[in-house]
Amino acid sequence: KAGVTQTPRYLIKTRGQQVTLSCSPISGHRSVSWYQQTPGQGLQFLFEYFSETQRNKGNFPGRFSGRQFSNSRSEMNVSTLELGDSALYLCASSFENRNNEQFFGPGTRLTVL
Amino acid sequence: AQSVTQLDSHVSVSEGTPVLLRCNYSSSYSPSLFWYVQHPNKGLQLLLKYTSAATLVKGINGFEAEFKKSETSFHLTKPSAHMSDAAEYFCVVSDAYNTDKLIFGTGTRLQVFP
Repeated sequence: KAGVTQTPRYLIKTRGQQVTLSCSPISGHRSVSWYQQTPGQGLQFLFEYFSETQRNKGNFPGRFSGRQFSNSRSEMNVSTLELGDSALYLCASSFENRNNEQFFGPGTRLTVL
Repeated sequence: AQSVTQLDSHVSVSEGTPVLLRCNYSSSYSPSLFWYVQHPNKGLQLLLKYTSAATLVKGINGFEAEFKKSETSFHLTKPSAHMSDAAEYFCVVSDAYNTDKLIFGTGTRLQVFP
């Protein structure tokens, strides 16, 4: 069974631009969560999608948004990029979550210049 | 609100010696607790989880953790460290109201010397 895949793996953008990251969950998984990992703030929950609906949201500004498609693939978008958005963005999928194991992808490393 | 505190940011051990990574939690409810490991340039992998069944939880790669409610602790141990155990370890609690949301500790970097 293929694991969680994230594309692209590395991305370099400049301030003010926007970016879209993609996550393909494990086949059969319907829950997709996104996390931001930085040296200063550690791992922080962004949001979670289940059956194309945002089910949970963390404490991030509205510049961070996401969506989920009918095949459970998910995208997250960051608009008006700031230097502080440089981070590793991790996607995790689970069958239905609710304390099920979350399987993490390798992440997308975003650098904002 | 739920939170976890990892008491050591770095732990160094020699290969073949025991590993102890400490974690204390804060929760108003009976928590679900996890340990995840992150190897360099790789995603997070679940080592083990506690969800109110047995207090001693066995995980992969010889790791185990004991849930101690009286001490609000969930320390991770391994009897004998291997070089391949060198990685970052995260103690995690799930949010009581939104169990899909994981709350991560700040991480403990484990170094293993030959």
